[in-house]
Amino acid sequence: QKEVEQNSGPLSVPEGAIASLNCTYSDRGSQSFFWYRQYSGKSPELIMSIYSNGDKEDGRFTAQLNKASQYVSLLIRDSQPSDSATYLCAARFGNEKLTFGTGTRLTIIP
Amino acid sequence: GAVVSQHPSWVICKSGTSVKIECRSLDFQATTMFWYRQFPKQSLMLMATSNEGSKATYEQGVEKDKFLINHASLTLSTLTVTSAHPEDSSFYICSAELGQGGNTIYFGEGSWLTVV
Repeated sequence: QKEVEQNSGPLSVPEGAIASLNCTYSDRGSQSFFWYRQYSGKSPELIMSIYSNGDKEDGRFTAQLNKASQYVSLLIRDSQPSDSATYLCAARFGNEKLTFGTGTRLTIIP
Repeated sequence: GAVVSQHPSWVICKSGTSVKIECRSLDFQATTMFWYRQFPKQSLMLMATSNEGSKATYEQGVEKDKFLINHASLTLSTLTVTSAHPEDSSFYICSAELGQGGNTIYFGEGSWLTVV
């Protein structure tokens, strides 16, 4: 069974610091990886997608993918209180359904 | 990013009645849409995969006769909760795939259903 694992947290990070979120996946054939942010009571919002090994940067966010070790991470630089949310990691093989982790709850402390 | 719109955002219905939730891809055509439900403080649970012009594929344990899904066009999928009961109260979220195969999936705003 394909699984995506995340530390449920909560992860507390001081404002302005770097928040590091990690995710591992079981299906070595997974090809696409996504990070979604979900505020309480709202639907998930796409933050980053990554398909190749290495880093992908978008503003304050950097996604890192290591297929050999089967992990994906998300770094948030200069963390802001508005970054406080649950972050969902997802993996996908081809056009199959997304497999989600249970999410990591991040709290940025002012 | 691509826009996926859901309607209604929230709905209250009486037990035993049916309620329909619409999911539209506003600026792209979506061959595949997905329907999820989420209970408070819990993970997303995939209910079914909806493909335009064909029957939806339901996840194990999801009653297809209770949760009717129709994907009549490339921009619209609907979920109808039939004979709703209080235990069906939940946050229902659709998502749509931009392109085909391994491409990005965007979520709608979600619909809160309360059955009284």
